[in-house]
Amino acid sequence: QQKVQQSPESLIVPEGGMASLNCTSSDRNVDYFWWYRQHSGKSPKMLMSIFSNGEKEEGRFTVHLNKASLHTSLHIRDSQPSDSALYLCAASTSGSWQLIFGSGTQLTVMP
Amino acid sequence: DTTVKQNPRYKLARVGKPVNLICSQTMNHDTMYWYQKKPNQAPKLLLFYYDKILNREADTFEKFQSSRPNNSFCSLYIGSAGLEYSAMYLCASSRGLGNSGNTLYFGEGSRLIVV
Repeated sequence: QQKVQQSPESLIVPEGGMASLNCTSSDRNVDYFWWYRQHSGKSPKMLMSIFSNGEKEEGRFTVHLNKASLHTSLHIRDSQPSDSALYLCAASTSGSWQLIFGSGTQLTVMP
Repeated sequence: DTTVKQNPRYKLARVGKPVNLICSQTMNHDTMYWYQKKPNQAPKLLLFYYDKILNREADTFEKFQSSRPNNSFCSLYIGSAGLEYSAMYLCASSRGLGNSGNTLYFGEGSRLIVV
């Protein structure tokens, strides 16, 4: 079964710094990647999705996708304490109805 | 309104007793999911309803049951709770199937502790 690996498990960055989170799928048939963010005690909320090679930018958040290496990354520039959360990566493959999640990266932004 | 609501938020159950968790959404979504999340582990899909059709994961087939009496409501039922069921249970919904590029909307979860 497809696995989704995230790294690092935890990350501490200073306020105003850049946070970089990584995610890799084990399945060559992956077609969509999502990034969800879960603040403590709250529900996970979709942050960004990507299915084409390249990058996608929304405000301070940029997602990169390299389908050849089955790798996506999320970059948060000018990190804020409010960005502190668990970031979950998810992937789906063609032919499967299931969305597979990674175990997440816990990001802490220090004021 | 993109809210998915779950009840109860916290549940303490004794080993061997049944547990019923409830989820509702008002977005008229076709699909409702139940995930189990344990600390430092990935959310694991237990089952989902696409319209009225229930799909259960092979490795959890006998452990969890569910019902969806109408489009808005979905329950997760554990007939006899074991210690290994202690986890956060996340309900989610989507307009179609999540793997088709449709966003999943999650509830805040039901934390189950089995003693």
